Amino acid sequence: AQSVTQLDSHVSVSEGTPVLLRCNYSSSYSPSLFWYVQHPNKGLQLLLKYTSAATLVKGINGFEAEFKKSETSFHLTKPSAHMSDAAEYFCVVSISGYSTLTFGKGTMLLVSP
Amino acid sequence: DAGVTQSPTHLIKTRGQQVTLRCSPKSGHDTVSWYQQALGQGPQFIFQYYEEEERQRGNFPDRFSGHQFPNYSSELNVNALLLGDSALYLCASSLGDRGRFYGYTFGSGTRLTVV
Repeated sequence: AQSVTQLDSHVSVSEGTPVLLRCNYSSSYSPSLFWYVQHPNKGLQLLLKYTSAATLVKGINGFEAEFKKSETSFHLTKPSAHMSDAAEYFCVVSISGYSTLTFGKGTMLLVSP
Repeated sequence: DAGVTQSPTHLIKTRGQQVTLRCSPKSGHDTVSWYQQALGQGPQFIFQYYEEEERQRGNFPDRFSGHQFPNYSSELNVNALLLGDSALYLCASSLGDRGRFYGYTFGSGTRLTVV
C-alpha cells in the first residue's frame, strides 16, 4: 500500500520569501515521487519527479525537492516566491509504472505582495 | 506536440442521466488513466487502460465504466448519475510502464455538474 500526507493544507508567504511545502510518504516499495501544481480551474502540471536517481531534484519555475528516505519525506522548496506561484500543490507517489498515482490532499499556497 | 485533450470542458447533467467523457492522450502515449477530483480534494484514481483493456481499477462502483480505442483515445462513462458525481474528471496519459520515469501528462479536465 502507498499513501501520501501533505502536512499543511494552506501555506501563506510574502512575495520574495522562501517556500516550503511538506510531504511525507508511505510505501512498501521504492517509490517514484512527484509534485504537481494546479492553478484555479486548470489541470495538473508536473513540477518535478524523483525516480531513484539524484536525491535533490530540480523542477520547473525554480522549484526543488529533496528525497529523504530515512525521514520518508519529499518536501518542495523554492528560494523566492512569486505571485504567479499561488496555486494548489499536490505530492504524488507511484510504486511502479503501471501502478496508480496516489495523491495527497493538496496544499494551497497563498502569496501576498 | 499536442498534450492530453479532454472534451467537453464543462457539462451539466440531471440526476439519473448518463454521461460520456472523452480523452485523447499525448502523442506517443498509449496508457490512459482517469481520475475524479471532488471540490477541495486530491484526485482519486478511477481506472487505467492499456492495450484496450482495463488494467487497474480504483474503488469506484460499476456505474463507472470505460473504453480505450485502437488509437489509444479513451472514454469514461458514468450511468445513473448522482449529485455526488459532481467533480472535475481528469485524464492522464503515459507511455506503457514508463510513467514513473517520464511522468504522467494530465489534461485540463471535464467539469461535471449533476443537478
